Amino acid sequence: QTVVTQEPSLTVSPGGTVTLTCASSTGAVTSGYYPNWFQQKPGQAPRALIYSTSNKHSWTPARFSGSLLGGKAALTLSGVQPEDEAEYYCLLYYGGAQRWVFGGGTKLTVL
Amino acid sequence: EVQLVQSGAEVKKPGESLKISCKGSGYSFTSYWIGWVRQMPGKGLEWMGIIYPGDSDTRYSPSFQGQVTISADKSISTAYLQWSSLKASDTAMYYCARFDSREGLFDYWGQGTLVTVSS
Repeated sequence: QTVVTQEPSLTVSPGGTVTLTCASSTGAVTSGYYPNWFQQKPGQAPRALIYSTSNKHSWTPARFSGSLLGGKAALTLSGVQPEDEAEYYCLLYYGGAQRWVFGGGTKLTVL
Repeated sequence: EVQLVQSGAEVKKPGESLKISCKGSGYSFTSYWIGWVRQMPGKGLEWMGIIYPGDSDTRYSPSFQGQVTISADKSISTAYLQWSSLKASDTAMYYCARFDSREGLFDYWGQGTLVTVSS
């Protein structure tokens, strides 16, 4: 069974920088996993932030960026704002099985 | 404006059947996949499966294969998620999301449908 692992929780100060990561139990995450990142606030539907590793949607704030880091997909928030407090999920594509798997989510606290 | 509008909340008893819907508008419904995602109370997102309305090509997560059926009616730009016999453990919020396979992206999401299964 494929498992996608994220940090359960992270805390960052306003104006600071934080990196969230997304690892696959099958090995290093590459661009072929088409990493997608989503933000979800309580009581709301998820909102897409990043696709195919590092591409931003038209509505994605500039302070969000995606990359590959040490065999993992990564989401970096630079100049964190209080409204960035939310749960963040990554989603990876497993082409051999033609399916997608979500990570367990990272609860980001801005304090 | 691209929109995915899901059907309203449902309250069902164990053993009952259910079909919820996701209607797309503002884009070519047959040119994008529609995925379904489960979120159990207080838990994370789980990818259930995906359908291409253009030809009804469908893929399921192993966890949901045989437990649900995903379908689409392209004539009314609507995708469906259905159960033949609900269980209490099916209680969750269910979301649909649009997927662009050319770019490898999920972009627009429905507002969610809350399904409650209780005797």
